[in-house]
Amino acid sequence: QQQVRQSPQSLTVWEGETAILNCSYEDSTFNYFPWYQQFPGEGPALLISIRSVSDKKEDGRFTIFFNKREKKLSLHITDSQPGDSATYFCAASANNNNAPRFGAGTKLSVKP
Amino acid sequence: EAAVTQSPRNKVAVTGGKVTLSCNQTNNHNNMYWYRQDTGHGLRLIHYSYGAGSTEKGDIPDGYKASRPSQENFSLILELATPSQTSVYFCASGGGLGASAETLYFGSGTRLTVL
Repeated sequence: QQQVRQSPQSLTVWEGETAILNCSYEDSTFNYFPWYQQFPGEGPALLISIRSVSDKKEDGRFTIFFNKREKKLSLHITDSQPGDSATYFCAASANNNNAPRFGAGTKLSVKP
Repeated sequence: EAAVTQSPRNKVAVTGGKVTLSCNQTNNHNNMYWYRQDTGHGLRLIHYSYGAGSTEKGDIPDGYKASRPSQENFSLILELATPSQTSVYFCASGGGLGASAETLYFGSGTRLTVL
């Protein structure tokens, strides 16, 4: 069973629009939530992360919104660019076991 | 720059054969991980290690063994490969110091096809 769930599986937006990627989890011990970005033929790379003590984390055009009570988070990409086209993975880990668990990913396509 | 190198980049194996996937990291990280990536499943954790000589089972360890002979090297072993193990395998290291302690650094992946 997937401990981390992502939706949608794929998403297409136009250049300049805001893309919203969703993530949810079940294990209440998870307290660290990184998002990784993966381009074809490459390994994933850290994009942005948030800890459960925060409800928002911003880095340029990328923002994570976190709702601990509902065990949900989302990644917002504002002013989407064609170069943002990639697969985005939400992950989660807990202090007592640092092996991160990943969701199934959202494939984002940004059309010019 | 953190570096994780996987070999081979591509591998074709026969059913029932033994396959060894290798991973080397120059980050001096304590933790190393093996994931497989399949469409619809994302990245699933197979085995991981907290240091030389240690290995831990992840979520899908059946059919796989792991070996961590040194800080730098972490291998994934398929003793009897099956077609269901056809996938892209990623190695990662983590557990560095400071702000990047929980960041994983991934290799470029090994595409394994079992015929």
